Amino acid sequence: DADVTQTPRNRITKTGKRIMLECSQTKGHDRMYWYRQDPGLGLRLIYYSFDVKDINKGEISDGYSVSRQAQAKFSLSLESAIPNQTALYFCATSDFGFQPQHFGDGTRLSIL
Amino acid sequence: GNSVTQMEGPVTLSEEAFLTINCTYTATGYPSLFWYVQYPGEGLQLLLKATKADDKGSNKGFEATYRKETTSFHLEKGSVQVSDSAVYFCALSASGAGSYQLTFGKGTKLSVIP
Repeated sequence: DADVTQTPRNRITKTGKRIMLECSQTKGHDRMYWYRQDPGLGLRLIYYSFDVKDINKGEISDGYSVSRQAQAKFSLSLESAIPNQTALYFCATSDFGFQPQHFGDGTRLSIL
Repeated sequence: GNSVTQMEGPVTLSEEAFLTINCTYTATGYPSLFWYVQYPGEGLQLLLKATKADDKGSNKGFEATYRKETTSFHLEKGSVQVSDSAVYFCALSASGAGSYQLTFGKGTKLSVIP
């Protein structure tokens, strides 16, 4: 089983809909992250959480919200989706300090 | 702020050719440096890392040396294979605003042809 699991893997929806992307991990890491990937732009950080009570905005948090339901679960919500939020979304986890991050396989989100 | 600049792709090489993907960085303090690889349809996987100046990270025939004097972390492989076709991301992790966030380059797509 994957250490970092994202659901769904693919989603097509319409403008204005509320969408939730979910991430769960079995690595026992405290830190969790949400990124979006756009062609030619690399990965950009949306939100990150260092523990259940600690939520921080990243580089591009506008239009997104998150919830850290437990150490192992971190969900990303788009309250009212718009077409320019069409992208590949990744969840990642890490241990403390300069430890590398471990990524899920991504959710491909298309907003029509 | 922190930033990572890597050579733009796409890069197309023949099998067994030598690979170099350039990466330079700007960071405060003493960052750790990483190369991640993304195969088609998959998430990013850590390829190698270096945590201090002059460290050499290596894995699967790939190498990169942390050069503080030139603020660089170039990725090299002596003989690429078709299975190395992927997108490669250089990244750094440095303390800033009390966090250890990863800052990524934009990625370099490598295609290896038989």
